[in-house]
Amino acid sequence: QSALTQPASVSGSPGQSITISCTGTSSDVGGYNYVSWYQQHPGKAPKLMIYEVSNRPSGVSNRFSGSKSGNTASLTISGLQAEDEADYYCSSYTSSSIPYVFGTGTKVTVL
Amino acid sequence: EVQLVQSGAEVKKPGESLKISCKGSGYSFTSYWIGWVRQMPGKGLEWMGIIYPGDSDTRYSPSFQGQVTISADKSISTAYLQWSSLKASDTAMYYCVRQVPGDASFDYWGQGTLVTVSS
Repeated sequence: QSALTQPASVSGSPGQSITISCTGTSSDVGGYNYVSWYQQHPGKAPKLMIYEVSNRPSGVSNRFSGSKSGNTASLTISGLQAEDEADYYCSSYTSSSIPYVFGTGTKVTVL
Repeated sequence: EVQLVQSGAEVKKPGESLKISCKGSGYSFTSYWIGWVRQMPGKGLEWMGIIYPGDSDTRYSPSFQGQVTISADKSISTAYLQWSSLKASDTAMYYCVRQVPGDASFDYWGQGTLVTVSS
């Protein structure tokens, strides 16, 4: 089972919106509504930002939103802030033997 | 307050054994799956395996099957990840995570245990 594919880096200016893609297959992203997103600041443990494609846990800013179309999920950060600069990983349930797989990770830079 | 508290950093030599721990508190430990995630230096997250402490049902990623052992002691709300013979390539940060019931996301993460294997 290969990792889900994410862009290596995405950047934006404060206040802008950015979108991070997460591409899998019909055996994972496309087949289930079990896509989640995690934010990881340097030297810190990851934090759950989105679960079940588009749901935000309590306490997560509504500037973060998730969606899915076919085999690609997306995380959108609106009103980009300096504190959003971090690595972001998607994850999905998969029908393979694993049964969970992470994305390759995306470094978000706030210009 | 839900917490997953992991054991401290370890420095080991190749061939040595190691068991790291993850203690859960603030919730019913036997009712949630606990997983382990590896992050090698400068690299991404890799899912290793998961255990249900209620009955010790355990699943492994094929990449880690036979390389590590996941276990749990529900009497002390603690999950474990162990190696019988470490390699330099096991050098990484290891996180324990709690799985959201009925979902495939991980809502709580331990602080991480850094394992360094070097001769």
